[in-house]
Amino acid sequence: SAVISQKPSRDICQRGTSLTIQCQVDSQVTMMFWYRQQPGQSLTLIATANQGSEATYESGFVIDKFPISRPNLTFSTLTVSNMSPEDSSIYLCSVLGLAGGHEQYFGPGTRLTVT
Amino acid sequence: RKEVEQDPGPFNVPEGATVAFNCTYSNSASQSFFWYRQDCRKEPKLLMSVYSSGNEDGRFTAQLNRASQYISLLIRDSKLSDSATYLCVVNKGPRDDKIIFGKGTRLHILP
Repeated sequence: SAVISQKPSRDICQRGTSLTIQCQVDSQVTMMFWYRQQPGQSLTLIATANQGSEATYESGFVIDKFPISRPNLTFSTLTVSNMSPEDSSIYLCSVLGLAGGHEQYFGPGTRLTVT
Repeated sequence: RKEVEQDPGPFNVPEGATVAFNCTYSNSASQSFFWYRQDCRKEPKLLMSVYSSGNEDGRFTAQLNRASQYISLLIRDSKLSDSATYLCVVNKGPRDDKIIFGKGTRLHILP
């Protein structure tokens, strides 16, 4: 499986500001995804990061709030914009495995606290 | 019916015992099934894929029942290090790379 890193690993931000999270993979991957895991909850898919085109967002998530970039096959960013305390969560990127069975591998996550 | 449903637990099990988790899914078109393990404050890690014929990996056995839309995970001879949350994961449908996570079952192995 690919080695995935995320930066920052954690941050504490003030409401109204924005934070950009980076996801770096050590090999080229076709599919990258961004998830949110709120306290005590399971993972919810925010969007699929598409290389060379706009991200595909899931219901309840919009580009203005969570702009995503995917400039190449090894890197993506997720920005959490105009943050509120409700955005406090763990944000994880993942990549599709190479075995063709839809399994995904996750980065270590970014723990965001909004005060 | 929720897309992926699991008993949240916690399951408190003595070391060395056998424990089984179940999971049901609502989309009969789903084709890929997985168990992930998530330790506290860590990312989910793939434990095993679940195949139609059932599969075993050491102390772990996964089974799929398509007719009942039901997946199970059996852990034999449980170890303290097995304490974690176990997430049942199902893909959304044929040729769909998106996956859906259950809320997880918490397992505590007691010494």
